[in-house]
Amino acid sequence: EIVLTQSPATLSLSPGERATLSCRASQSVRSSLAWYQQKPGQAPRLLIFDASNRAPGIPARFSGSGSGTDFTLTISSLEPEDFAVYYCQQRSDWPPLTFGGGTKVEI
Amino acid sequence: EVQLVESGGGLVQPGRSLRLSCAASGFTFEDYGMHWVRQAPGKGLEWVSGIFWNSGTMGYADSVKGRFTISRDNAKKSLYLQMNSLRTEDTAFYYCVKDKGYYFDYWGQGALVTVSS
Repeated sequence: EIVLTQSPATLSLSPGERATLSCRASQSVRSSLAWYQQKPGQAPRLLIFDASNRAPGIPARFSGSGSGTDFTLTISSLEPEDFAVYYCQQRSDWPPLTFGGGTKVEI
Repeated sequence: EVQLVESGGGLVQPGRSLRLSCAASGFTFEDYGMHWVRQAPGKGLEWVSGIFWNSGTMGYADSVKGRFTISRDNAKKSLYLQMNSLRTEDTAFYYCVKDKGYYFDYWGQGALVTVSS
């Protein structure tokens, strides 16, 4: 099973600042990684797939990079609605599909 | 508009069974794989099970293998999760999720399953 480790667990920032979230895989997942955003009381939403491709309707301030074992989600300038929990997920090895533990972006 | 609506959640005693259903609309259901993903209250996401478009292949997390069974009825545009021998650690919101190449592009609002005596 591929383990995904996200860091930091919590990121405290202000609107307008840049957010950089990390996801590290226990073995190479090539570019087979996605990022999701989850707000309180809501289901997760797909942001990025295949490491760097934005899902339809996702603003350009969200970008993903990386391959192999190290990945980054960058939010270039935080909007108030971006404060949420972010999860990475790998599809390289199935089953199981696995998620990271999450990073909470808070004000 | 894609819609996924879960039903069948509730309170159940340890060791008992429960069946979740998911009604899909807004897309060609029979063309896509489907999954169940769960989230214990206040915790992270855990993939539970997935099924190919033609039910030819299913996969399970080790934590539920042998206890849970995923199935689908393409004529009814429905996904199911039969959960047997439930444990307290199965308590979670269960999301019905549409597959996008083993990623998850549409999610239901979730059904809460509480396993407690």
